[in-house]
Amino acid sequence: NAGVTQTPKFQVLKTGQSMTLQCAQDMNHEYMSWYRQDPGMGLRLIHYSVGAGITDQGEVPNGYNVSRSTTEDFPLRLLSAAPSQTSVYFCASNDLSGGAYNEQFFGPGTRLTVL
Amino acid sequence: DAKTTQPPSMDCAEGRAANLPCNHSTISGNEYVYWYRQIHSQGPQYIIHGLKNNETNEMASLIITEDRKSSTLILPHATLRDTAVYYCIVLNYGGSQGNLIFGKGTKLSVKP
Repeated sequence: NAGVTQTPKFQVLKTGQSMTLQCAQDMNHEYMSWYRQDPGMGLRLIHYSVGAGITDQGEVPNGYNVSRSTTEDFPLRLLSAAPSQTSVYFCASNDLSGGAYNEQFFGPGTRLTVL
Repeated sequence: DAKTTQPPSMDCAEGRAANLPCNHSTISGNEYVYWYRQIHSQGPQYIIHGLKNNETNEMASLIITEDRKSSTLILPHATLRDTAVYYCIVLNYGGSQGNLIFGKGTKLSVKP
């Protein structure tokens, strides 16, 4: 298993540009989520999904869109990039079966800079 | 979900046990205590979790006090590779559907 994969690893955008961060998992996990981590801070939840076709907002959803058309993929879209969105973005997945008290698996992260 | 309090940093000598404390005084009966760590800006890594009994796995031990208001993560023989930020998280899956709320964690430095 490749686990949770994220692309790209690094990205530089200009203010106002849009882009999609890709996240995929090959573990057939129902739950997927996106977090952002600013320097010296813990991770903050942006959006999450408990299955294909179902998404919901986390703590800091403004400026981001998500969709979940398949179990495997959970892309994060930046609609109009702003310097405040400069951060490291982590995707995670979790198997919700069997009571849901399972570990979350995190991807390696995408380091985004918005100029 | 209950909030947690952790010291911002700790040092530990290589080969010694690292004991990382966490206070969660407002924890409720159906909330679990989870520990994750993050090594040098990599994605967080699950370590262990527990409800009220002490737990042990190949990575660490988790000691939860009888009143469940605090816990301690123990790395029995710390190595340089255990240098990381350690996050203590209280989670009620019934309400949060698995959403983890990260604080700033404890930065553990293992020194030779």
